[in-house]
Amino acid sequence: DAGVIQSPRHEVTEMGQEVTLRCKPISGHDYLFWYRQTMMRGLELLIYFNNNVPIDDSGMPEDRFSAKMPNASFSTLKIQPSEPRDSAVYFCASSSGAGWSNQPQHFGDGTRLSIL
Amino acid sequence: AQSVTQLGSHVSVSEGALVLLRCNYSSSVPPYLFWYVQYPNQGLQLLLKYTSAATLVKGINGFEAEFKKSETSFHLTKPSAHMSDAAEYFCAVSDLQNQGGKLIFGQGTELSVKP
Repeated sequence: DAGVIQSPRHEVTEMGQEVTLRCKPISGHDYLFWYRQTMMRGLELLIYFNNNVPIDDSGMPEDRFSAKMPNASFSTLKIQPSEPRDSAVYFCASSSGAGWSNQPQHFGDGTRLSIL
Repeated sequence: AQSVTQLGSHVSVSEGALVLLRCNYSSSVPPYLFWYVQYPNQGLQLLLKYTSAATLVKGINGFEAEFKKSETSFHLTKPSAHMSDAAEYFCAVSDLQNQGGKLIFGQGTELSVKP
């Protein structure tokens, strides 16, 4: 079975550039989560979707961050303009149920983002 | 608000020794609890989950965890550490208090295994 697929695996870009991270969830999963992981702050939930609808975006750090899920098999996380402090590993995860349903989240391998 | 506390950001054991990673949670209702493992340059993988069926939960790679309601704990153990167990381990609790969806993750414990 294909897992959660993220692209690109690595991204290096200059400050001020637009960055787009992509995620393909596991087929049939109706929850999709975007996380950011840094040494200083650990694993942070940025936003999650249910049936392609954003449910909670309280973790999105600033208006420079936006996420979309145009269909059940694709999501993007965009940073515009990017800043060096956005450097982190960004993970996408999907699940077949909400937290209360005890279904685990399945994680992709992440995108390692470096903003110079 | 629900929270998860992992005691010890770094744990080091010798190969063959007992592994004990501690996790305490706060929840006013019986939670669902998870342990995930993260190997270098990879995403998190599910080790095991507690869903109220049994208090002792067995997971992959010889790991197990015991749910103790009286102690609000869900510690992860493995009788004999292997070099391949070196990784970061995350405890997580389902967020039942805020219309669900989210998992609340602990800060992680990095496990080192010495030869």
